[in-house]
Amino acid sequence: EAGVAQSPRYKIIEKRQSVAFWCNPISGHATLYWYQQILGQGPKLLIQFQNNGVVDDSQLPKDRFSAERLKGVDSTLKIQPAKLEDSAVYLCASSLADSADTQYFGPGTRLTVL
Amino acid sequence: QKEVEQNSGPLSVPEGAIASLNCTYSDRGSQSFFWYRQYSGKSPELIMSIYSNGDKEDGRFTAQLNKASQYVSLLIRDSQPSDSATYLCAVRPGGYNKLIFGAGTRLAVHP
Repeated sequence: EAGVAQSPRYKIIEKRQSVAFWCNPISGHATLYWYQQILGQGPKLLIQFQNNGVVDDSQLPKDRFSAERLKGVDSTLKIQPAKLEDSAVYLCASSLADSADTQYFGPGTRLTVL
Repeated sequence: QKEVEQNSGPLSVPEGAIASLNCTYSDRGSQSFFWYRQYSGKSPELIMSIYSNGDKEDGRFTAQLNKASQYVSLLIRDSQPSDSATYLCAVRPGGYNKLIFGAGTRLAVHP
């Protein structure tokens, strides 16, 4: 069974530029999560999708971050414009049903904002 | 604000010893508790889940839960250098379908 796929693996941009990350969850997984993990901290949930609907986006900085999950499969997370404090690893995870209990993480995208 | 607290470490133990990792959480209604292992530069992987008070054993790993004290721990017996990683505690707060992660404890097992 293929795992969660993410791209790109690394991205370096300058502040005020825009960037987009892509995630393809495990086949059949209805729930998809985007996390931000800053160095030395635990993952922080940015947004959670159930199929193609948003379940929780309470910690998503909506003035600069957006995400979509068209057709309920893969998803993109965008930052526009980026700030220095957005430097982090962006992790995508998926789970089978509407339970957050068993999540499988992708390899992450390491973003550096200069 | 629902919180999960962990000592950042590093926790240094000799090979073969027992490593004890601890976590406290603020939401008394939490029902599900998890331990993830994260190697440097890698993504988290689930190693243990626990839902009831008491101990749950899986190989060299034992998770312990005390809901009255809002405390969950992970014991690693016969620690190996390959266990060196950051261990993340995660909690699903009551009434929520999401996980709150602690900042993690870095474990170093030296030969």
